Amino acid sequence: QVQLVQSGAEVKKPGASVKVSCKASGYTFTGYYMHWVRQAPGQGLEWMGRINPNSGGTNYAQKFQGRVTMTRDTSISTAYMELSRLRSDDTAVYYCARDREYYDSSGIFDLWGRGTLVTVSS
Amino acid sequence: DIQMTQSPSSLSASVGDRVTITCQASQDISNYLNWYQQKPGKAPKLLIYDASNLETGVPSRFSGSGSGTDFTFTISSLQPEDIATYYCQQYDNLPGTFGPGTKVDIK
Repeated sequence: QVQLVQSGAEVKKPGASVKVSCKASGYTFTGYYMHWVRQAPGQGLEWMGRINPNSGGTNYAQKFQGRVTMTRDTSISTAYMELSRLRSDDTAVYYCARDREYYDSSGIFDLWGRGTLVTVSS
Repeated sequence: DIQMTQSPSSLSASVGDRVTITCQASQDISNYLNWYQQKPGKAPKLLIYDASNLETGVPSRFSGSGSGTDFTFTISSLQPEDIATYYCQQYDNLPGTFGPGTKVDIK
């Protein structure tokens, strides 16, 4: 069925990097932009950026520029989000979310992964 | 960045009540506004897109309206399974900012 399956929870030390994966199934992976959204404990939703799985082109929120890298592997229909120089306030659930629009980006997220908890602690 | 505000931040209502949440954008976003429902420990779920379009499979008791800077989300008859936090999100331009959320529970 149509779904996004994310990698498991991670515990990292401050200053380290984390790479979260998001495997798509049930649809044409290269046809839909993938977005990454995070949610700190008890907080709201924060858009981090997006990747065009077809071209590999990316757009990142200003806040994360220089620390985030979004990539994809079309051979296994998987998107990745790597966040470097982790701080304690990066502790959050990280979601991948598919854009609704085919071969374009509407900003409407119609399919979400279950989320990956990343805990940053010394 | 476009700032989104929501009110109220939380509400308590009885089963069967009409529930209304408002969302305001810091600048004109036309109808580029979505509403999501998030239940505890779960991922958000798209309910309404383009301000007023109901996502496939979403019950018709959910509705949205508005354009420009002011938007409204309504549950016509609150059900126990509607207990969740509701977020608006603009996508007129990047980044697609979310409102702070409205927590809805049963009185």
